[in-house]
Order: sequence, then C-alpha cells, then structure tokens
Amino acid sequence: KQEVTQIPAALSVPEGENLVLNCSFTDSAIYNLQWFRQDPGKGLTSLLLIQSSQREQTSGRLNASLDKSSGRSTLYIAASQPGDSATYLCAVSHDRGSTLGRLYFGRGTQLTVWP
Amino acid sequence: DGGITQSPKYLFRKEGQNVTLSCEQNLNHDAMYWYRQDPGQGLRLIYYSQIVNDFQKGDIAEGYSVSREKKESFPLTVTSAQKNPTAFYLCASSIPRQGASDGYTFGSGTRLTVV
Repeated sequence: KQEVTQIPAALSVPEGENLVLNCSFTDSAIYNLQWFRQDPGKGLTSLLLIQSSQREQTSGRLNASLDKSSGRSTLYIAASQPGDSATYLCAVSHDRGSTLGRLYFGRGTQLTVWP
Repeated sequence: DGGITQSPKYLFRKEGQNVTLSCEQNLNHDAMYWYRQDPGQGLRLIYYSQIVNDFQKGDIAEGYSVSREKKESFPLTVTSAQKNPTAFYLCASSIPRQGASDGYTFGSGTRLTVV
C-alpha cells in the first residue's frame, strides 16, 4: 500500500526566506505527484502537478521536483511571504486499474510565514 | 463558472442519526471522490466512483454509504454505524481516463460535528 510522508510537519519562518518542503512515497510506480495548498477550513487548491516522466515543474515562486526512483519530491518556495501561510499537502496517484484516479496524501506541512 | 459545490458548510448530527452530505459538480468529470480529514491527518479516501451507477470502497468506508445516480452528483450518507463521524469532509472530481488522473478539483468542504 502506498504511504506518503511529509517533513517537516510544521515550519515557522520570517518573511523573505527560501523554503524547502519534503515529500516521500513508498511505491515508486506512480503516475503523477501533486502539491496542494489548504487554507484553514477550506478545500484544496492544486499548486503544481508533475507527471512521472517529468523532473520538475515551476509556477511563479514555486518549484517542485520529482525523483521517482528514490520516491522523493521537494517543493521549493522562494522569497516567502505571509500570504504563503497555509498547509501544503503532497499527493500521488497510480494508473493501475481499480485505483485509477485516487490520490494518496501525506499529512501535510503547516507553514507560517511571519512579517 | 465550473466547479464543485458542497453543502451544507456546517452540519450537526445527533447520536444515532443519519445525515447526508451533498456534492454537485458541473465540470463534466466522470470520477468523483469523498475524503475525510481529521486534525493533523492527511486526507483518507472513503468512497470513489469512476462512472455513473458504479462506486468503490476506499480505505475507511465503514459507516458510510454513497450513490451515483447522476454524473453530476455524489452524495455521502454518514450512518449511525460510524462511531466517530466528527471531521472535515471533502468531495473531489477528476477525469480518470486511462493514465490521466490530473484535473483534480476539490469542493470547499463540509464540517460535520456530533452533538
């Protein structure tokens, strides 16, 4: 069974710092990996999606990398801002039959960026 | 605008009572999912449906039931058999064509509390 782990569980930094959030997964036969953002009491917003054949994706100040063979992904946030404060969730999917489409989630990293 | 609508936003359940959470999407997505989120936990899959009139149990289906009579709707019933139903419930949809589980969209969630 796929297990997804995120480190650290919580992170508190001053504004302007560059950050790295880590995600690891036990079954490397994934189809893709997604990073989501969740604000308190809200649903999830997709930030970046990396297909298994890709190494990284970038969107603005966010960069996500994927090393499928070692079962690892990192989310890099450049020049952090207070508005980045949220919980960041990593999720993977497979392309096998009955599990097609479902996501396996980590527990998330709760990020606080203070002014 | 296309999206997923969950209702109600807050729901209170008495002991021994069944309650139904609504999830409606107008994205023309084939697949729909129900996840449960507890504090400090990742999302856990309750049920999912890849096509109308078909659904599969997820990892924590006991005490829950679903139906998929229309492509747009995937209601979740929390039965009295679910002993610890207090949680945040998230509905999602996607396009699960073979090998493509991207295009995931989440609703804004329903917070269920037992009183």
